[in-house]
Order: sequence, then C-alpha cells, then structure tokens
Amino acid sequence: GNSVTQMEGPVTLSEEAFLTINCTYTATGYPSLFWYVQYPGEGLQLLLKATKADDKGSNKGFEATYRKETTSFHLEKGSVQVSDSAVYFCALRYGGATNKLIFGTGTLLAVQP
Amino acid sequence: NAGVTQTPKFQVLKTGQSMTLQCAQDMNHNSMYWYRQDPGMGLRLIYYSASEGTTDKGEVPNGYNVSRLNKREFSLRLESAAPSQTSVYFCASSEAQGQANTEAFFGQGTRLTVV
Repeated sequence: GNSVTQMEGPVTLSEEAFLTINCTYTATGYPSLFWYVQYPGEGLQLLLKATKADDKGSNKGFEATYRKETTSFHLEKGSVQVSDSAVYFCALRYGGATNKLIFGTGTLLAVQP
Repeated sequence: NAGVTQTPKFQVLKTGQSMTLQCAQDMNHNSMYWYRQDPGMGLRLIYYSASEGTTDKGEVPNGYNVSRLNKREFSLRLESAAPSQTSVYFCASSEAQGQANTEAFFGQGTRLTVV
C-alpha cells in the first residue's frame, strides 16, 4: 500500500547548522508530496509541497525536491534557527477517489542556540 | 481569520463515558477529516467527509462515529471511551476532495485522556 517513511528523531542541531530530514515514499502512480510543520502546542500547517516529479517546493528557507527515481522528498535548510524547532511531517496525497493525506511518523527537530 | 476551530482543547474522561468533539471551519471547504496523533505513529485518519452529507471510514474508525452536520461542521463522537483512545485529535479541512495538490488546514487539536 501507500506509505511514507521518515528518519527517526529527535534531530538536535546548533543554530546555523545545515538540516536534512529524509523522507521516502511507497506509492503507485504520481502522488503530490507535502511537508507539514507542527510547532509546540499547535496544529499542523503546510510548509511546502510539490505536485510532480522534479518539482522543488520551498518556503521560509526550507526546500524539498520531488525525486521520482529515488521515491524521495528530503527536507533541507541551509541554516536553521532556534525558531525552527518543531515536529516535521512528510505526507503524500493522490487525487481521485483515494484522496486521503497519508503521513509519516514525524521528526522532532530541536535547535540549540 | 479563524480557519478550523476545535472544541474542547483538553478533556479527561472515565472509561465508558461518551463525548463529542466539535469541529467547524469557515473557509467554505467541502472536505473535512478527523485524525488522531500518537507518539511514534504520526497522524492516522479516523473518518473523513468528502462533502456535506457523506462520511467514510479511514484507517482507524473503530470506537468512533462522525456527523457532518452541515458544510461547516464535522463532529467526532466516542460512545464508550477506552484508555486506548487517549490521544491528540485533529480536525482538518480542504477545498476539494479528489484533488491531489490542495492543502489541508488543521485545527489546534484536542488532547483527550481516558482514565
């Protein structure tokens, strides 16, 4: 079936370090891919998305590229800040009748000053 | 700019008690969803409603019922709460069922503890 696998957390980084959170997916066809972020005590909010192969989603300095050949959508940021501390979720979604969002387990990022 | 509003934010129930979690959205979205979030499990879909008047089971529907009261509101009911239903519950909505690239908007969550 369709699924999303994320790297285990927590990920602990110092401010200004480079961030990568790995995400791979298993799916038939061509889903859209998303990264959501959950700040402490809040609901999820969309960080970025990509809807077809080789698309790059970007927002707030974060980037992820839809790689069909490796079925991956890794999240990267060149220089993290303390305010980026949150839980990050990778997700996929198809159109049509099976239109549900399928989430990975989430990765906790802690950025230390 | 309310978006998706859930009530209550926190609740403690005794085993066997019932309760209803309320959700309302003001974005005129057709589709609404209920998820539960558990440590190490990510978000799992309980029920969803593609449009007013329709509801369907998600991954983990057992022990829950839903009502799509109108386009704005989608409630989740626990008829007889069990400790396994201790979780954080999120309601979400999106513009249109059937489109892969539309964003889902989430409420702030309800933290439910069943003792």
